[in-house]
Amino acid sequence: DAKTTQPPSMDCAEGRAANLPCNHSTISGNEYVYWYRQIHSQGPQYIIHGLKNNETNEMASLIITEDRKSSTLILPHATLRDTAVYYCIVSAISGNTGKLIFGQGTTLQVKP
Amino acid sequence: DAGVTQSPTHLIKTRGQQVTLRCSPKSGHDTVSWYQQALGQGPQFIFQYYEEEERQRGNFPDRFSGHQFPNYSSELNVNALLLGDSALYLCASSLFFGTSGSSTYEQYFGPGTRLTVT
Repeated sequence: DAKTTQPPSMDCAEGRAANLPCNHSTISGNEYVYWYRQIHSQGPQYIIHGLKNNETNEMASLIITEDRKSSTLILPHATLRDTAVYYCIVSAISGNTGKLIFGQGTTLQVKP
Repeated sequence: DAGVTQSPTHLIKTRGQQVTLRCSPKSGHDTVSWYQQALGQGPQFIFQYYEEEERQRGNFPDRFSGHQFPNYSSELNVNALLLGDSALYLCASSLFFGTSGSSTYEQYFGPGTRLTVT
């Protein structure tokens, strides 16, 4: 599975958009980009995933560059409850490999 | 619809002892994965169970073993506990790709079991 690089921490003002970057320059053609987040003392929570097209759901938007070497998770209107560690993960879909390789993630602090 | 449940929530053990952690997957899920999360680190994959068999294993010693039952619930066993085994142990459930008809490996995580080894 490809390695990802994320900034260790970011701040965002409440109500503003939070843009979390992720580099995955060695991503393979069959690998998806996943985002999970972990609020303090809870298990990780799935946010969104994508292959090469931009994706949007009720939680966030995922923007993947055309060369697929980087992506950005966008929380359109961050709230204090979005304060968490955000993990960008690249994983292949083959059989049931399902293994998620977590890095250090980005600690997002949403401030009032 | 119950999510992933884990028991116990907290556990304190002594070095050399053995521990068993339990996980019930989300309703309808048939695959269980276990992760270890040390303080300040991201979760590390231990192994995954499907159809009562270990399907994939991370870089963990044989002291870590598991089991999956016919009802899809799972246990994680750790023998000869070391101080370094102190961590949050997370269970995640999902659908086996072949039956989900989906490209997603969206995994649902439980709240974890906090293991302290003294």
